Amino acid sequence: AQSVTQPDIHITVSEGASLELRCNYSYGATPYLFWYVQSPGQGLQLLLKYFSGDTLVQGIKGFEAEFKRSQSSFNLRKPSVHWSDAAEYFCAVGTTGTASKLTFGTGTRLQVTL
Amino acid sequence: DAGVIQSPRHEVTEMGQEVTLRCKPISGHNSLFWYRQTMMRGLELLIYFNNNVPIDDSGMPEDRFSAKMPNASFSTLKIQPSEPRDSAVYFCASSGAGTYPEKLFFGSGTQLSVL
Repeated sequence: AQSVTQPDIHITVSEGASLELRCNYSYGATPYLFWYVQSPGQGLQLLLKYFSGDTLVQGIKGFEAEFKRSQSSFNLRKPSVHWSDAAEYFCAVGTTGTASKLTFGTGTRLQVTL
Repeated sequence: DAGVIQSPRHEVTEMGQEVTLRCKPISGHNSLFWYRQTMMRGLELLIYFNNNVPIDDSGMPEDRFSAKMPNASFSTLKIQPSEPRDSAVYFCASSGAGTYPEKLFFGSGTQLSVL
């Protein structure tokens, strides 16, 4: 079965600083990988996804993520964080086919200081 | 499009009471998912339906939990009797035919507190 690990429960960065959120996955085949963002009191919104091809994927709100098969990682990055980026971020791994399933990590809460 | 609509937004109840959470998926979507979010366990898939039929309920914690989807536009998650450990945020999500897991749309959740 697939699994996702987000080793950082809580991260604080200053506005304007760069950001990297870590995600490691476990899956026997090539995974579908996702990053979602959850603002307070809201549901999850898709930031970006990787299915195949270019291992560096661009998402909304200036985020990007890089798939590294050798490290089983899919880290999320942003060059310059804005105060509005404060939220909880979830990495997820998905399988495909008739038994497709999306498994989420436990999330990383991002705090942005001014 | 109104998105996935969940009700109520907040529910406070006493232990032993029955709780019913409701979800209206996005029109035209044929897959519906119920997730539970807690601090300890993160986001867990409880059950999902495809074309109104339950496909995988292996995540339902115990017999106190039940879910139904009587038609394509409505689903319920029921807890009877409720217990304090059921306190969590419950999310409903939906996706269109052939688009899962690529496109999954979440509702705003129901915050359940069982006292």
